[in-house]
Amino acid sequence: AQSVSQHNHHVILSEAASLELGCNYSYGGTVNLFWYVQYPGQHLQLLLKYFSGDPLVKGIKGFEAEFIKSKFSFNLRKPSVQWSDTAEYFCAVNGGGSNYKLTFGKGTLLTVNP
Amino acid sequence: DAGVIQSPRHEVTEMGQEVTLRCKPISGHNSLFWYRQTMMRGLELLIYFNNNVPIDDSGMPEDRFSAKMPNASFSTLKIQPSEPRDSAVYFCASSAQGSQPQHFGDGTRLSIL
Repeated sequence: AQSVSQHNHHVILSEAASLELGCNYSYGGTVNLFWYVQYPGQHLQLLLKYFSGDPLVKGIKGFEAEFIKSKFSFNLRKPSVQWSDTAEYFCAVNGGGSNYKLTFGKGTLLTVNP
Repeated sequence: DAGVIQSPRHEVTEMGQEVTLRCKPISGHNSLFWYRQTMMRGLELLIYFNNNVPIDDSGMPEDRFSAKMPNASFSTLKIQPSEPRDSAVYFCASSAQGSQPQHFGDGTRLSIL
């Protein structure tokens, strides 16, 4: 069975600080990886995705993530956060091919102080 | 483009009542998912459909929950009878074939008194 682990439950940063949110998954086969963001009171929105190719993936709003297969990791990064990045971030994994099921991590709440 | 449309946005009802949540997926998407989000348990997959057929309903908590997808453009999630512990935000999501990203609706915030 797929599982996703996000190491940090709550991260608090000041504006302009760098961000890295950890995500590890367990799945034996080919995977597709996603990061979603949920702003307060809103639905989940896709930040970025990895299907294949370059393991460094760039998403919207200056976010990027790196897929390290040997570590089963897909950490999310941003060089300089803004107050508007305050939100909850979810890592998710989906087995490739005919497995449509998307398994989410528990989420990491990011608070950025102005 | 119209995204995933859910209704109602908010529902407050008394325990024991039947609750029906509705979802219209993005046109052309053939996979549909129902999730429940709570503070304690996070985001849980309840059921997913592919080409209108339920593929995995292992996340449905109990028999009080049922979901249908009578056609490619409409799905319902029903709770009967409802209980206070069903209070949560229920999201519907859809995706195109294969392992495409899922697109989420705005959710239904359900409160059972």
